[in-house]
This record gives sequence, structure tokens and C-alpha cells, in this order.
Amino acid sequence: DTEVTQTPKHLVMGMTNKKSLKCEQHMGHRAMYWYKQKAKKPPELMFVYSYEKLSINESVPSRFSPECPNSSLLNLHLHALQPEDSALYLCASSQDPGANTQYFGPGTRLTVL
Amino acid sequence: QKEVEQNSGPLSVPEGAIASLNCTYSDRGSQSFFWYRQYSGKSPELIMSIYSNGDKEDGRFTAQLNKASQYVSLLIRDSQPSDSATYLCAVNKGGRRALTFGSGTRLQVQP
Repeated sequence: DTEVTQTPKHLVMGMTNKKSLKCEQHMGHRAMYWYKQKAKKPPELMFVYSYEKLSINESVPSRFSPECPNSSLLNLHLHALQPEDSALYLCASSQDPGANTQYFGPGTRLTVL
Repeated sequence: QKEVEQNSGPLSVPEGAIASLNCTYSDRGSQSFFWYRQYSGKSPELIMSIYSNGDKEDGRFTAQLNKASQYVSLLIRDSQPSDSATYLCAVNKGGRRALTFGSGTRLQVQP
């Protein structure tokens, strides 16, 4: 089983809203990732969690706040977003930080009005 | 020079033909190479991984790696219309613990 789940599938929010994206995996993977993907562009890495600790932050604006409550869950808290933040947000996981094969969830399509 | 380069396409092939997708990378320290397939509006799906020089076959798919020339390719035999998608090449540079993606090649298989 290589399933990564993400909720919600779609999210529409205003620039003053606070919302959260959720990601879950039950494969025992110890590395989890957030990517952002704009239309016709490749995924762009945002954050990497390794053994529940933030190991990479790709200079992401503070209006995006990641959280890893436990080894199976990864959240992305959103606050005061801009319309240009509208994108497909992808979560991925891998067995461990050194195991490079990453499995992606279905993504959350975010629209910021 | 981009870290991972792919021809954006579209690459159009007739049904039943071999589709050849290419990718070059700039960092000689790269150790792991991946091909993902992405349908429009969907998330990337892992197709192949390859770590050493040579060919690796899985069903209709063959990945080829040449570290000396810094390229990796994906061959799709007996192409089907359902193979029409964007194919993303991803590279791990080693020590970074994250993937760098190429911009993707859009493949169109004509019935």
C-alpha cells in the first residue's frame, strides 16, 4: 500500500481566512513533504519533515506554517494568503529521508479569492 | 542552465509506437532518478526509479541512465492513448534529501 491521503480535495478561501490542509500516511514513512504546483509547472518543494522535525524550509513565506503532530500526519496552516498562492498543494512521503522514492497524495486544489 | 531539463513537447506518437522521453541534469553528484506520470489536474504517479547506469525494464516502460553523459530517458513501448500525460523527470542530488523536478514533457498518443 502506497497511499497518501489529503483533505480537503478543494478549498476556496478569502485573503483574511485561516484554513488548514491535512495529509496522512500509514506506511510507516518517516519523511514527509509539502509541494506547491502551479498550472503547467513542476512541483516546487516547500517543506521537508524528517522524523517529525522540520529539516528543509525552502524560504516559504510565513503565511504558510507547517506542522507535524506525529509520524503519520502533516498539516499546512494557511493565513492571510494572496491570490497568487492559488495552486495545487501536494503532500508526499518517503520511507526515510535517505530513501528517495516519494509517493504523492492526490493534492488539494486551493483557490484564494 | 536548469538543474533538470526536459523538452516541454508536446511529443506526439501514434498508438502502438515507442515514445522516447529524455532528461538531462547538471549535478554530477546526483544519485537517484525518477520518472513520474501526471495526468491533467491529478498528482504525480511514480512510474520508474533508476540508480545505476544501464537499463531498467518494468512492463512497457524502460528507464535508461547514463551518468557520464548526465542523461536519463524513459521509453514507453506499445504506446496507448491512456499514456497521454505529462512525464516529470526528478533527480535527487544526494545529501539534499529532496527531489528536483524537470518542467515535464507532455506526451500525446494518437489513436
